[in-house]
Amino acid sequence: AQKITQTQPGMFVQEKEAVTLDCTYDTSDPSYGLFWYKQPSSGEMIFLIYQGSYDQQNATEGRYSLNFQKARKSANLVISASQLGDSAMYFCAMRERDTNAGKSTFGDGTTLTVKP
Amino acid sequence: DGGITQSPKYLFRKEGQNVTLSCEQNLNHDAMYWYRQDPGQGLRLIYYSQIVNDFQKGDIAEGYSVSREKKESFPLTVTSAQKNPTAFYLCASSGHRETHEQYFGPGTRLTVT
Repeated sequence: AQKITQTQPGMFVQEKEAVTLDCTYDTSDPSYGLFWYKQPSSGEMIFLIYQGSYDQQNATEGRYSLNFQKARKSANLVISASQLGDSAMYFCAMRERDTNAGKSTFGDGTTLTVKP
Repeated sequence: DGGITQSPKYLFRKEGQNVTLSCEQNLNHDAMYWYRQDPGQGLRLIYYSQIVNDFQKGDIAEGYSVSREKKESFPLTVTSAQKNPTAFYLCASSGHRETHEQYFGPGTRLTVT
């Protein structure tokens, strides 16, 4: 079964607007971590934001925020005030406690295109 | 300037040849990982290592081998047994004891003909 599902293969957003990238996950482990990574066309993966399963508040990092809905098992990434440089592929990932430390499962990604 | 280096960026090989991809980190991270990415797809874990002289198979280890003789280095060998080796290979490391976020190198694009 797919552990991380990203249902949007591609998304478009107008520059300066906000966009939400969807991510749902599947785990029976009560302790887990969720990540979002950005992959520009150069190929390098860049860590954006982390949410722990026990964190009470949604994570935020600058223009990035994570809309964490534990009961729905969703961890959507919100990018505010989109910039042209935000055009990239975005991956959601999960680490479960009962796997070896650090080992993460990645979704298939969403390609975001920011229009000027 | 801390980070992860992978070399070379592009690599071309003939079918039947083994090839080794290099990965070096100066972040003092204990854990290192190798992923394979095919066009338009996500990352699949090949091998990972949590500590020097120890490593474990990931989801697609067949046809690959690794070593971890030094904390800083985690080379990946793509052997001739790998049936479809042409892909983008990413190396990563993690060091945060609670969050374990991963930091990636620039990747190596391997083409085997």
